[in-house]
This record gives sequence, structure tokens and C-alpha cells, in this order.
Amino acid sequence: EAGVAQSPRYKIIEKRQSVAFWCNPISGHATLYWYQQILGQGPKLLIQFQNNGVVDDSQLPKDRFSAERLKGVDSTLKIQPAKLEDSAVYLCASSLRTGNGYTFGSGTRLTVV
Amino acid sequence: AQSVTQLGSHVSVSEGALVLLRCNYSSSVPPYLFWYVQYPNQGLQLLLKYTSAATLVKGINGFEAEFKKSETSFHLTKPSAHMSDAAEYFCAVSRASGTYKYIFGTGTRLKVLA
Repeated sequence: EAGVAQSPRYKIIEKRQSVAFWCNPISGHATLYWYQQILGQGPKLLIQFQNNGVVDDSQLPKDRFSAERLKGVDSTLKIQPAKLEDSAVYLCASSLRTGNGYTFGSGTRLTVV
Repeated sequence: AQSVTQLGSHVSVSEGALVLLRCNYSSSVPPYLFWYVQYPNQGLQLLLKYTSAATLVKGINGFEAEFKKSETSFHLTKPSAHMSDAAEYFCAVSRASGTYKYIFGTGTRLKVLA
């Protein structure tokens, strides 16, 4: 089966600019997650979708981050405006059913200068 | 609340030696536990998972882990290290019910010496 697709792989922007990341999960996976992985740290959950509904966005900085999953399939994560501390790898993951383990995409490495 | 502690941010072993990566968890409810591996510039790949069945879990690439409730541990082992095992390893915990979000540890970078 095809894996979780993410684009772009790399992005460099200046602070205060906006950026968007795209994720296409494995076909049929109802649950989709966005994680932020800062260098030297473990991934931190930003938002979890079940189909097109938000299950958990408690750690999403809502003043600058937004995410949507229209039609319960692919998803976009947006940052506007970006800060230097947003430099990280943004990982998308999906799962078929709970407790089965996530499948992660390769991530988007964001550098804010 | 749940948390994971990985002891040792860097571990070095000789090729052919035992690999032991430590993970201790904290959870007020029955946990699910996972080990993931991350190679440079790649996403995370599931090595193995504990979901309340057998306490000794075997995964891919010869890795295994044992769930020890009394010690709140889920250490990852491999009898004989290979150069290709050099990577970063993450332990994660989630609830066995509810939203199932994963809480990751800070990772352990494994270096394999020739």
C-alpha cells in the first residue's frame, strides 16, 4: 500500500511569512495526526482528526497555526505568521484503528530565518 | 497524565554487541507502548508495539521489548547490533482507550561502532 505522502519536503521562509503543509494519509485511514518535532526532541502532537472532525487540538498554537481535513481525506497545516521557534520537522501520521500504531510520512522540514 | 522517559540520549555499542535502550513510562490508565525508529531525514517507522497481549513483544529487524508493569518499563533490546541499526529510537505511550494520542520520549541516538 502507498504510504503517507507529505509535501513539500523542505521549506525555508522568513519570519512573519505564512506557510502551508499538505498530507495525504493512507487510503481508508480515518485518523490523521500532525506532529511537530523540534531538533533534539521527540515529536509533539499538534492536532488529531477523526475523519474530518477534530479530536484533540489542545497543543495547537491557535493564534498562528490552523489545520483542516476537508472530506476526511487529505489535510493541510498552516502557519501564519511564522516565528523562528517554528523551525522544526512537521510530521503527518495516520492510523486505521486505534492501538494499531501510526504510519508516519517523511515529514516537512521547515526553517524560519 | 502520561509521560515517557528515555534514559540516555546517546548510546554507543560495538557491532555484534547487545543493544539495550531504556524506556520508563508513567500512566494512570492501562497503556499502549510503542518503539519507533527514525533514520536521518525520514519519518518514524514502527518497530514494535505492546497492546496488552503478550508482555514480550517481537518486532522488526530483530528487536524486541518486554513490558514490565512492576517496573513501569518497556526497554528495547537486540542481541547483536548491526551497522544499519544506527538511528534515533523513540519510545511512546498512549492510553488503551480514548483519543490514543501518543506521548513520545526525547529519543535515544544509537551509534554502532565497527
